Amino acid sequence: QVQLVQSGAEVKKPGASVKVSCKVSGYTPTELSMHWVRQAPGKGLEWMGGFYPKDGETIYTQRFQGRVTVTEDTSTDTAYMELSSLTSEDTAVYYCATAFGDSWGQGTLVIVSS
Amino acid sequence: DIQMTQSPSSLSASVGDRVTITCRASQSISSYLNWYQQRPGTAPKLLIYAASSLQSGVPSRFSGSGSGTDFTLTISGLQPEDFATYYCQQSYTTPRTFGPGTKVDIK
Repeated sequence: QVQLVQSGAEVKKPGASVKVSCKVSGYTPTELSMHWVRQAPGKGLEWMGGFYPKDGETIYTQRFQGRVTVTEDTSTDTAYMELSSLTSEDTAVYYCATAFGDSWGQGTLVIVSS
Repeated sequence: DIQMTQSPSSLSASVGDRVTITCRASQSISSYLNWYQQRPGTAPKLLIYAASSLQSGVPSRFSGSGSGTDFTLTISGLQPEDFATYYCQQSYTTPRTFGPGTKVDIK
C-alpha cells in the first residue's frame, strides 16, 4: 500500500515562496510521477500540475506557469512542490497524489498572511 | 482547458436513499473520468476510475457510468459515512480539471 506523507503546515508572508514535500513509502518507483492539487478554504479541488514519465516532463496548469516547480528526489523517494510569489489567494491545503489518484498525502496547509 | 460541471451542487438525502450525481465535460473525454469522495478535513478518496471501474476496497453501492461528455455517479443505499462532497475529474488531457463538487448532506 503506497503511503504519501507530506510536510507540515507553513505560514508565509506575501511575496515569499513555499516548498512542500511528499515522501513516498510502501513502493519504490523509478519515477515518482506525483501530481499536485490544492484546495482553498471552503472551495473545490484545483489541479496544479504533475509529472508525466512518458513525456519526461512536468506539466503545469497555465495559471501557475512560471510560479510553480515540481521536482523529485528518487534517492529519498520524495517529491517537492515549490510555489513562489505567494499572495493571500494561495492560502490553501496542498495535496500530492499519485498520477492514478489512488493515493493522496494528508495535505499541507499553507497560510499566506502579512 | 476542458470544463467540468456537476449537478446538483448540493442535495439532501436520507440513509438508504439512492443518490445520482451528474458530471458533464465541455468536450468528449471518452471514459477518462474519475470520481472522488471527500469528507471534511480529509484528502479526497478515489471511488471510480475510467468512468465505471470500482476502485479496490470501495463498497459496491457506488457505481459509475457514461462516456463522451456525460457521466453519472450513483450511490445505491446511502450510508451514514457517505455524507460527503463528491468530485469528478477528467484525466483525458492536461490540465486534469475537476468538477466543482456535489455536497451530499443529511435530510
